[in-house]
Formats: sequence, C-alpha cells, structure tokens
Amino acid sequence: NAGVTQTPKFRILKIGQSMTLQCTQDMNHNYMYWYRQDPGMGLKLIYYSVGAGITDKGEVPNGYNVSRSTTEDFPLRLELAAPSQTSVYFCASSYKLVHEQYFGPGTRLTVT
Amino acid sequence: AQKITQTQPGMFVQEKEAVTLDCTYDTSDPSYGLFWYKQPSSGEMIFLIYQGSYDQQNATEGRYSLNFQKARKSANLVISASQLGDSAMYFCAMREFGNEKLTFGTGTRLTIIP
Repeated sequence: NAGVTQTPKFRILKIGQSMTLQCTQDMNHNYMYWYRQDPGMGLKLIYYSVGAGITDKGEVPNGYNVSRSTTEDFPLRLELAAPSQTSVYFCASSYKLVHEQYFGPGTRLTVT
Repeated sequence: AQKITQTQPGMFVQEKEAVTLDCTYDTSDPSYGLFWYKQPSSGEMIFLIYQGSYDQQNATEGRYSLNFQKARKSANLVISASQLGDSAMYFCAMREFGNEKLTFGTGTRLTIIP
C-alpha cells in the first residue's frame, strides 16, 4: 500500500512551457485534491474531485486543468507556465469528504 | 467564510516538555471538522488528529491531544513529552461539512531543543 504517490519530485520549467503533474492513490478513495503551498504559507486548494469523471474548481484554479478518468489517478496540467506558479504542489485523497486527507510527498516546481 | 488563525510563527521547547500550539477559527456553520497536520523538513504533510464540532470529548492520539474550546472557537494542539523528532511545521485546518475546501492556517514552526 503506497498511499498517495506524486511524480516528478522536482521540475524546472521555462515560462510558457507545459507539463503534467501526476498523482496516483491506491487506497480506493473517491475524493482527491490538488493544493499548492507557497513559501511560509499554508496550502491552498487548486482543484478537487469527488469521483471518476467529476472535477471542480477550488480556491486558486487559474492556470491549471485537471481530469479524473479513473479512481486512482488525478493529474494536474499546467498549460502555459508562469513564474507565479512556482510553488510546491501536493496531491491528497480522502475516503469521505469529512475524513482526514492523506497527502503525497509533493512536487517542487520552479518556473523561470 | 471559514478562516484559521495561527498566531505563533515559531516556538522553541525543551525536549520532554509539553507544548501547546494555538489555533483559532472562524465559521458560521455549526457543522465542521478541525485537523492538525505536521510537515517535517522533508516536506510531506502528515495527518495528526481530528476533532468534529459535535464531538463531546477532546480528541487524543497517542502524545497528541486537541484542546477544543467551542465557545472560544479554539482548537489548540497539545504535544506531551516532546521529542526531537517533533521539530516541524504544524498546520491547523478546518472544513465546514458539505464544503470541499480544507482551509489551512499559516503554520507554527516548532523546534525541540535537546
């Protein structure tokens, strides 16, 4: 049982480039989330999903897209990277909406 | 709107002493949950403890306990017999039931001194 896994761990992008952050969970959780954590701050919700085929915007969705074709996977897409997207990105999952969320190890992204 | 406030940016505590990390929250929803997470220097977020707004007793998990004072809207984390491995950032978070958003505070950096 690996929990929540994220790839890559680190990435440097040039302005305007695109990339996909991968997230997979093996706990059969319906709920999955993407957060970003800026230096010295708490986490902010980017997108979330309540099940396969269902996604919705969180607090800071601009510049990102998601899809949820399976229960296990919840990739986050950055289409035109900007320096403001330099952050640490966390994927999380939970069994129910009110339950605790389990987090992946994070992806540190730098856009220059 | 839900809001979490952590007023202690940093704390230094002697090993084996107990430590209290403060958290106050604001919500107009009577149904909500409160969470504490630990973030060590390695970066991962580790769930520690949960308290529901209707729970009659304070939550406990091993050395962690949550001092829940509903009328004061506070949910302080108490760590008993602190250890060097407790050195980390600690985040308080809240979710109103029926709301997907988990709102985090800005965190408290705890340093345990040998």
